[in-house]
Amino acid sequence: NAGVTQTPKFRVLKTGQSMTLLCAQDMNHEYMYWYRQDPGMGLRLIHYSVGEGTTAKGEVPDGYNVSRLKKQNFLLGLESAAPSQTSVYFCASSSPSGGAGDTQYFGPGTRLTVL
Amino acid sequence: AQSVTQPDIHITVSEGASLELRCNYSYGATPYLFWYVQSPGQGLQLLLKYFSGDTLVQGIKGFEAEFKRSQSSFNLRKPSVHWSDAAEYFCAVVADSSYKLIFGSGTRLLVRP
Repeated sequence: NAGVTQTPKFRVLKTGQSMTLLCAQDMNHEYMYWYRQDPGMGLRLIHYSVGEGTTAKGEVPDGYNVSRLKKQNFLLGLESAAPSQTSVYFCASSSPSGGAGDTQYFGPGTRLTVL
Repeated sequence: AQSVTQPDIHITVSEGASLELRCNYSYGATPYLFWYVQSPGQGLQLLLKYFSGDTLVQGIKGFEAEFKRSQSSFNLRKPSVHWSDAAEYFCAVVADSSYKLIFGSGTRLLVRP
């Protein structure tokens, strides 16, 4: 049982390049989330999904797109990377069966640098 | 809008000393509250959570937290800190009736030998 995994672990991009971050979970969770973590700001929600084929905007969605084609995967895309997107990205998943307070399980993170 | 404040950016304690990390939230109804820990280079791990009922919540690794509605606080405590507790700690609240977490900015704990 791997939990939540993220690919890649590290990436360096040049401004204007595109990339996709992959999140996979093997816990059969309905809900999945993408966060970014910046120094002194905690984690901020980018996008989330409440089920296969659904996505919704979080707190800081601009410059990102997401897709949830399979229940176990949640992809985060950067179409044209900017230095402001330099950050550590975390994926998380949860099951709604326990109510709104159910635990979110986090992946190990992807450190992205945009030059 | 919901918000979470962790007033201490850094805290340094000696190994074996007690610890209290502060968390204040802004939320109209009964909140769902969480404490997560992040070790260097790692993801976040849940320490404990509060939904309702007993206001003193026990978590993993010997941590506990107390919900005080009158003070809008959910402070994390540990009676005796170990060097392995050095990490960053995040308090979080569920936003509205959704499943979205709102995080505080974190408190970095340093442990002196």
